[in-house]
Order: sequence, then C-alpha cells, then structure tokens
Amino acid sequence: DGGITQSPKYLFRKEGQNVTLSCEQNLNHDAMYWYRQDPGQGLRLIYYSQIVNDFQKGDIAEGYSVSREKKESFPLTVTSAQKNPTAFYLCASTGVAETQYFGPGTRLLVL
Amino acid sequence: GENVEQHPSTLSVQEGDSAVIKCTYSDSASNYFPWYKQELGKRPQLIIDIRSNVGEKKDQRIAVTLNKTAKHFSLHITETQPEDSAVYFCAATYRSQGNLIFGKGTKLSVKP
Repeated sequence: DGGITQSPKYLFRKEGQNVTLSCEQNLNHDAMYWYRQDPGQGLRLIYYSQIVNDFQKGDIAEGYSVSREKKESFPLTVTSAQKNPTAFYLCASTGVAETQYFGPGTRLLVL
Repeated sequence: GENVEQHPSTLSVQEGDSAVIKCTYSDSASNYFPWYKQELGKRPQLIIDIRSNVGEKKDQRIAVTLNKTAKHFSLHITETQPEDSAVYFCAATYRSQGNLIFGKGTKLSVKP
C-alpha cells in the first residue's frame, strides 16, 4: 500500500470547475484503477488502465476523464459535467499476481 | 451483467464470537477472490485472498473458503475483537474485464 500515493488528501471544488486528482505508484504495476465511494456504500469503478496510453471506462465514467502517459501515474479529472462529485476517490494498482492495492484516497467536497 | 452479492450488509457480534460473511459471484471464469477491510475514513486493506485452485485458506483468526461449484466464498473471523470492527468487502476477478468486481460491503460491529 505504501507504494501508492494520492494527492491532495482533501479537495474543494467550486461549481463549474474542473479538478484533477493525482495518483502515483512505484510498484511497477501495469494496471491502475479509479473508484468512487459514497458514504456507506461500496466501490464503483470509474476508469481503469491495463497499460500505458490505454484506458477503459468503468461503470460510472460520465463526468470524469483520465490519462495514462506514464506507467507510474494515472490522474483523474472531475469535470464540471459531474454534477454530484462529492465522494471519497480511491486509486488502486495491480501487478501480475492480480492483488489490488489501494492508495490513501482523496476526499472531494463541493463548495 | 456480472456481479458479486454480499451478505449480510450489517453484522453485530459479541467479542469472542465468530463472524461469517458470504459472497456469491456469477462468472464461472473468476479465479481470484480477495477480501478487504476498510476502517472509517481509511483505504481498503487486503486481509486475505484465495485462488480457484484452493478450497480453503487460513491466516491466524481469519479464514476464507471457496466453493466453485456453488460459486460462493466466505470469510470467517474467529475470536472476534473490537478492533475487527470495520466494513469488509469481498471481490472477484472477471476475465472479460480484467479487473475486480466488489460486493457492497458488510459493516461488522464487535461489542466488548
């Protein structure tokens, strides 16, 4: 788990603003994931990337965008099209053993 | 579509009792089944996992069993302690997606 970092820990978004959440890993993992967790709820997949320069939509991709230009980095942008962005966002990565490890999370709040 | 059902959604036990959480999955190609523990405000932490070529795995007070025929797997916690109180998530891999599908979680409360 210590090999995955997310920043910032808390993020405030104003209406109409795009914000970007950072996720970095030094585990040499090929696959990376973004999940959204609402209070008292499970994990819902937003986007995932199995390899550099390629990514796929998850179950709730609308209003979000990602890029995967480097193996170590998988930033998530919450766009103004996401009307209800308040949630806990978790990044994860997976190596060849399929074991998925999570970053510490970013809590996004709307002003 | 593929999914993972998890039961119960909440579970309350007395300290020292056992706790059992059950999950069922739909994709017969699933071959990896992890369990995560999430404390309030923290990230999910892997506590145990099992692969499809094994029927049971144990790590101290925690064990997981897998029944591939029935497509269900269970988490067993013995001699529960207050620090076991958390939300537990099961998950299964899906070859068609190459990622994990999570259950909705079980909130376990261990009363001293």
